[in-house]
Amino acid sequence: DADVTQTPRNRITKTGKRIMLECSQTKGHDRMYWYRQDPGLGLRLIYYSFDVKDINKGEISDGYSVSRQAQAKFSLSLESAIPNQTALYFCATSDQGNTIYFGEGSWLTVV
Amino acid sequence: AQKITQTQPGMFVQEKEAVTLDCTYDTSDPSYGLFWYKQPSSGEMIFLIYQGSYDQQNATEGRYSLNFQKARKSANLVISASQLGDSAMYFCAMREGLGWDSNYQLIWGAGTKLIIKP
Repeated sequence: DADVTQTPRNRITKTGKRIMLECSQTKGHDRMYWYRQDPGLGLRLIYYSFDVKDINKGEISDGYSVSRQAQAKFSLSLESAIPNQTALYFCATSDQGNTIYFGEGSWLTVV
Repeated sequence: AQKITQTQPGMFVQEKEAVTLDCTYDTSDPSYGLFWYKQPSSGEMIFLIYQGSYDQQNATEGRYSLNFQKARKSANLVISASQLGDSAMYFCAMREGLGWDSNYQLIWGAGTKLIIKP
C-alpha cells in the first residue's frame, strides 16, 4: 500500500459543485501539503499544515479550503468548482528531513 | 523573475546513453536545497535526489547524480546508462532555507520531458 493515499484518483465534476479530495498517510509525519499541477508547469502550493492545529495558505489558496482531521488526514475542498481548477492535485507529507513524499495524484476535471 | 529554469522542454536520448538535464536557479539565500523529481506518465511524483547548498560533494543516488556548480547556480541531473523506464517528466525544485521550519515551500521548474529511444 502507498504511504500517501489520495482519493478519488480521478473525478469529473460540474461547475459550481462542491468537491473534496482526501489524503491519508501512514508515515507518521506532522507536515502535510496540497499542491496543484497544471500542464507544462511545476507544482504550486495551495495549503500546508505543520500539525493538526496549524494550517496555512500557500501560493494559490483562493477558491480552496482544507481540513486537517487528524495527523494522518488532510482534505482539500473546492466549495464551488470552476473550470480553471481543472488540474492534477497532489497531497504530500514530510518530516523535518529533506524529502517530501507525494501521493499518486488526483486528476480533477471541472466541466 | 524565474527562480528555477529548466531550458530543455523535451529531450530524446538513445537507450544506454548518459543524459544531462539542465537546471539553473536564482536565490539570494545562502542556505537552500535543490531537488529533482521524476513524474512518469501515470502522474505520480517520485523523489530522485537532493543537494544542500553547503554540501561539499555532489549528491549521488544509484544511476542519478547531481552536477552542482554553485558559482554558476546550476544543478544539473545526470542519469547514467539510460533505460526505457527513464522516460518521464523531470522536475527541478528549490527550497530556500535549509530547515523545514524556515521555509515550507518548494519552488518548481517547468520540467523536461525525457524520452528514451530503444
